[in-house]
Amino acid sequence: GAVVSQHPSWVICKSGTSVKIECRSLDFQATTMFWYRQFPKQSLMLMATSNEGSKATYEQGVEKDKFLINHASLTLSTLTVTSAHPEDSSFYICSAREKETQYFGPGTRLLVL
Amino acid sequence: SQKIEQNSEALNIQEGKTATLTCNYTNYSPAYLQWYRQDPGRGPVFLLLIRENEKEKRKERLKVTFDTTLKQSLFHITASQPADSATYLCALGGATNKLIFGTGTLLAVQP
Repeated sequence: GAVVSQHPSWVICKSGTSVKIECRSLDFQATTMFWYRQFPKQSLMLMATSNEGSKATYEQGVEKDKFLINHASLTLSTLTVTSAHPEDSSFYICSAREKETQYFGPGTRLLVL
Repeated sequence: SQKIEQNSEALNIQEGKTATLTCNYTNYSPAYLQWYRQDPGRGPVFLLLIRENEKEKRKERLKVTFDTTLKQSLFHITASQPADSATYLCALGGATNKLIFGTGTLLAVQP
């Protein structure tokens, strides 16, 4: 149980384009999902908390207009990186919360050329 | 500010031995602590959760201790195998929904 999927697993795009990443909880409902970013050999950096039916809560320093989050259902949250630039290249990971535990997706590798 | 430290950037041990990983924290009183395993290029995988009122938790070859006085958790893998090689993350949780992650310890089990 407690499986979280993420799609796509990797994406390469040109600078200036927008990229959407989906996060789904497959066998449980999650009112709260999280989006993280991870740089090589570093720990997870929380970007935002995605709340079903309401606006996401962004961490300090994360541009909400740059990273659009939508949590339209209890099993799906999406992260859209708008007007992506090379510095947005990173490993993006989502998680879905069930009770106290967060279950993570497999991650999405984004490369912006 | 809240700080989590995990022991040594890399831990090398021989197959069959017990691996012990440390997680120390300051300026925080977590209600629970979790350990995750992360393989390269993959998302973290949940291993164990231990609450503030629990001293020890076991799951197969894994054992976690939680000392709220020392502000420390120890994570043990007994009879370690090369397949246990990965980065292990500790994470603290409390009143908010968020988890605060440590930087992780890279474990390498040599055959």
